[in-house]
Amino acid sequence: AQSVTQLGSHVSVSEGALVLLRCNYSSSVPPYLFWYVQYPNQGLQLLLKYTTGATLVKGINGFEAEFKKSETSFHLTKPSAHMSDAAEYFCAVRHTGGFKTIFGAGTRLFVKA
Amino acid sequence: DAGVIQSPRHEVTEMGQEVTLRCKPISGHNSLFWYRQTMMRGLELLIYFNNNVPIDDSGMPEDRFSAKMPNASFSTLKIQPSEPRDSAVYFCASSGDSLLDTEAFFGQGTRLTVV
Repeated sequence: AQSVTQLGSHVSVSEGALVLLRCNYSSSVPPYLFWYVQYPNQGLQLLLKYTTGATLVKGINGFEAEFKKSETSFHLTKPSAHMSDAAEYFCAVRHTGGFKTIFGAGTRLFVKA
Repeated sequence: DAGVIQSPRHEVTEMGQEVTLRCKPISGHNSLFWYRQTMMRGLELLIYFNNNVPIDDSGMPEDRFSAKMPNASFSTLKIQPSEPRDSAVYFCASSGDSLLDTEAFFGQGTRLTVV
């Protein structure tokens, strides 16, 4: 069975500081991995995804994530936080050959001026 | 493509009334998902369809909830009778099967308030 664990329901950083949002997954088969962002009163928007190939993937708004199979992790990073990054972030997993996407509980990112 | 389209965006109804939420997936996508989002429970998968066939409805909370997908371009989620604890944001999402299309694309959601 698949599952996703996001460490920390809330993360607070200063503007310009590194953003690190943690995600660990479990999957019995090679996974597809995703990070989504949700702004208030909006749907979820894809930030980036890993399907195959290069394990470091780059997404929109300067975010990137690295698939580490040995650690079953897919942490999201951004070198320098901007006020506009304040939102909720969801990690998700879908296993290859399957249809269902499972989401983590979400991490709310606060950015301080 | 206009993306996943949900209607209505907001719905306020009285307890006991029937509520129908609607979704139009992205053309060409063959999987459709209904999610519910609340502060307490986060994002929950209620049901999903593949090629218009319900594959897994284990997330549907109880018999008051039902979902249909009569064709590839339309799905409904119905609650009858509605209760205040059904108040939430309901999202519809769709996805394809190719490597280029693995992610779920979400609609803007329907905010349901049952009073």
